Amino acid sequence: GQNIDQPTEMTATEGAIVQINCTYQTSGFNGLFWYQQHAGEAPTFLSYNVLDGLEEKGRFSSFLSRSKGYSYLLLKELQMKDSASYLCAVKVTNAGKSTFGDGTTLTVKP
Amino acid sequence: ETGVTQTPRHLVMGMTNKKSLKCEQHLGHNAMYWYKQSAKKPLELMFVYNFKEQTENNSVPSRFSPECPNSSHLFLHLHTLQPEDSALYLCASSQTPGGDGYTFGSGTRLTVV
Repeated sequence: GQNIDQPTEMTATEGAIVQINCTYQTSGFNGLFWYQQHAGEAPTFLSYNVLDGLEEKGRFSSFLSRSKGYSYLLLKELQMKDSASYLCAVKVTNAGKSTFGDGTTLTVKP
Repeated sequence: ETGVTQTPRHLVMGMTNKKSLKCEQHLGHNAMYWYKQSAKKPLELMFVYNFKEQTENNSVPSRFSPECPNSSHLFLHLHTLQPEDSALYLCASSQTPGGDGYTFGSGTRLTVV
């Protein structure tokens, strides 16, 4: 089976830093995605990690440890528009099968 | 606009109706996907098409029937659905099968009455 765990909800203050964790146990691993989904909208791609380490992209960074089955998404200098659901997903096969976590709803407060 | 267009945006159908969802991508991608997103549940993969060929059917009931006439178009034909099938149906595409990131459409909000 596939198991992906993320916190259900997080709250942070505008301008602060927040880290959203994701742990996974899956039948296969070919990479890990993070997506952002605003309420009522489609998910949008944020990052893709295949190798261990930190990938930085502007205010967002994503980290992967394959040996620990662990990833996190780091959001810096939080803005109100960052309030959204953040989805962790594991690419289980290279033929197109990805499994998503339940998502973490982040609320950014003034 | 993401480059993946889904129609209709909203659909209400009775349990005896037949309807189809349409997805079109303008990104030149070779793989297309159907996902289901229900309230309080994670995104659930339904079907994967790579170069027009179905490569994944995630144990989806036969009342959902996909069709991929070419790499740019994907349909989901619906018939005799149940109220629990009410959900947001998302189409996605990626450059390569498996992909290094999906581009999602805006989804079709389906309500079965």
